[in-house]
Amino acid sequence: DIQMTQSPSSLPASLGDRVTITCRASQDIGNYLRWFQQKPGKSPRLMIYGATNLANGVPSRFSGSRSGSDYSLTINSLESEDMAIYYCLQHNEYPHTFGAGTKLELK
Amino acid sequence: QVQLKESGPGLVQPSQTLSLTCTVSGFSLMDYSVHWVRQPPGKGLEWMGRMKYDGDTYYNSALKSRLSISRDTSKSQVFLKMNSLQTEDTAIYYCTVATFDYWGQGVMVTVSS
Repeated sequence: DIQMTQSPSSLPASLGDRVTITCRASQDIGNYLRWFQQKPGKSPRLMIYGATNLANGVPSRFSGSRSGSDYSLTINSLESEDMAIYYCLQHNEYPHTFGAGTKLELK
Repeated sequence: QVQLKESGPGLVQPSQTLSLTCTVSGFSLMDYSVHWVRQPPGKGLEWMGRMKYDGDTYYNSALKSRLSISRDTSKSQVFLKMNSLQTEDTAIYYCTVATFDYWGQGVMVTVSS
């Protein structure tokens, strides 16, 4: 199975900060990488697809990038509504696998 | 618009079988795949398996011996059955369509006697 190593597990940040979350794939997944945001008591919400493409309705302060087997989600100018847990997912191979999650919280 | 809704028992006894239904609207099950994902309380997401638009299924190998996914296209429903439940199967169970573009609200299942 492909392992998605997500870091950090917790990320304290201040409003207005620029933050980056990273997932490293244990095997080649191409650009079959998605990012999700999950708030307490809610279902996951798709934020980024194809590693770099913004999903419908997602604010432009969110962006995705890739460097080799490292995939990153960056949030520019953090807002209070961005506090959530973020997960990456590889869907290049079965079983699809999620990263362990990053909890973004106010410092 | 696309909607998914999971339904099923909130409480299941250990060693029993879990049966869940995902009822969808706004799209045809013959056009898009539906996946099941679960999330234990306070923990991360686990992909369980999928019903492809052509009726093919694929399961997480960790669950394969206990898991079955089927569908009724006429009723726009996808079913999950998992046997030999244990307390570690306590989780929120979600169905999600396409490549996880849309998700149901989830259903909490507790395994306890």
